[in-house]
Amino acid sequence: ETGVTQSPTHLIKTRGQQVTLRCSSQSGHNTVSWYQQALGQGPQFIFQYYREEENGRGNFPPRFSGLQFPNYSSELNVNALELDDSALYLCASSLLAGGIGPKNIQYFGAGTRLSVL
Amino acid sequence: AQSVSQHNHHVILSEAASLELGCNYSYGGTVNLFWYVQYPGQHLQLLLKYFSGDPLVKGIKGFEAEFIKSKFSFNLRKPSVQWSDTAEYFCAVNANTNAGKSTFGDGTTLTVKP
Repeated sequence: ETGVTQSPTHLIKTRGQQVTLRCSSQSGHNTVSWYQQALGQGPQFIFQYYREEENGRGNFPPRFSGLQFPNYSSELNVNALELDDSALYLCASSLLAGGIGPKNIQYFGAGTRLSVL
Repeated sequence: AQSVSQHNHHVILSEAASLELGCNYSYGGTVNLFWYVQYPGQHLQLLLKYFSGDPLVKGIKGFEAEFIKSKFSFNLRKPSVQWSDTAEYFCAVNANTNAGKSTFGDGTTLTVKP
């Protein structure tokens, strides 16, 4: 167990709908990174939140957005769902010092599997 | 931009065989390197990491990896695999200034036959 919990575990949506995924970070961690893992591929970095601010973004469109709350839990929101958004969404929490923290270890949750029909 | 290449998509071994999984990355600066394992139905677990220092790093469950900077490689090794090592293995890299924003390879599925 990593102490990182994600909800829900599975979700089915239809194209065009909106979805919110949730992540509760490990106690003492101040950073959450979100990843998308399509079938047969490695996780792909979506964005990172550090102390409630976006702290870097991968190659994902603006319809992927997020939030981080004062308790460092986080949400990933996806608007206007497309079929290609079907994937396992992973969050990883970590402790960054000063926003950089080169020696950073991430702890992953079990993921939310999203199916878009 | 960073990229990670894992050359072996699926490896099948018998128990007690030796394992080496290849990982090459492309990035010109200082990097942090990781190997993760994902057992069926479970979350990603960190096997080992390299930040600096001794390029030969040891991780959990008898795994080790060697960072060869000149070859941009970070290959994973285990002298003798067990059936319980059957899993998917991912190599990941992030720039030293981009902690927590990792680029992953597409993974290698390891099947160990008893």
